[in-house]
Amino acid sequence: RKEVEQDPGPFNVPEGATVAFNCTYSNSASQSFFWYRQDCRKEPKLLMSVYSSGNEDGRFTAQLNRASQYISLLIRDSKLSDSATYLCVVNEGGNTPLVFGKGTRLSVIA
Amino acid sequence: DTAVSQTPKYLVTQMGNDKSIKCEQNLGHDTMYWYKQDSKKFLKIMFSYNNKELIINETVPNRFSPKSPDKAHLNLHINSLELGDSAVYFCASNLMGGGDNEQFFGPGTRLTVL
Repeated sequence: RKEVEQDPGPFNVPEGATVAFNCTYSNSASQSFFWYRQDCRKEPKLLMSVYSSGNEDGRFTAQLNRASQYISLLIRDSKLSDSATYLCVVNEGGNTPLVFGKGTRLSVIA
Repeated sequence: DTAVSQTPKYLVTQMGNDKSIKCEQNLGHDTMYWYKQDSKKFLKIMFSYNNKELIINETVPNRFSPKSPDKAHLNLHINSLELGDSAVYFCASNLMGGGDNEQFFGPGTRLTVL
């Protein structure tokens, strides 16, 4: 199976900090990309899709570099409520299931 | 309204027992999935069902069997439970499969095998 690699962290940052997560994927034929968020003892939920041109949703910015097979998530002005595990997710196309990275854990500290 | 629901939320049982976890989605999705998340938090696909047909079956022991009575339900039966089966099991669904559409997860079932 193709892999999705993430730095597991944990990233411990103070409130208000900017933090960036990186992700690499090995299947160059992958078609679409996502960031999911998973709170402790909860289910994963879609945070945002990642588009080739890069996209922003409030304090969150996602970028994709297809040539390098690299995805990033930038969180500005971190809040305590951002503390969670962030999962990089890749759709390899067809009827294949989504491929999840192992997640990067973020702790925002007051 | 709960989009994807699972029962039970917690399941504690002895080795060797047989148990089932139920999943229902009210989103009208045509593809449903079962994932296993182990103690290392790695989320691994187990099965997916599209229009009541199994379309993906990862290398999962045959003690695990998914059963889909209809498009809105995908239940997971586990026979002869082993210690290594202890994990959180998530059901999920989306429309049209393939992952282009948002995948919605149930709240998870925390299985502990003693």
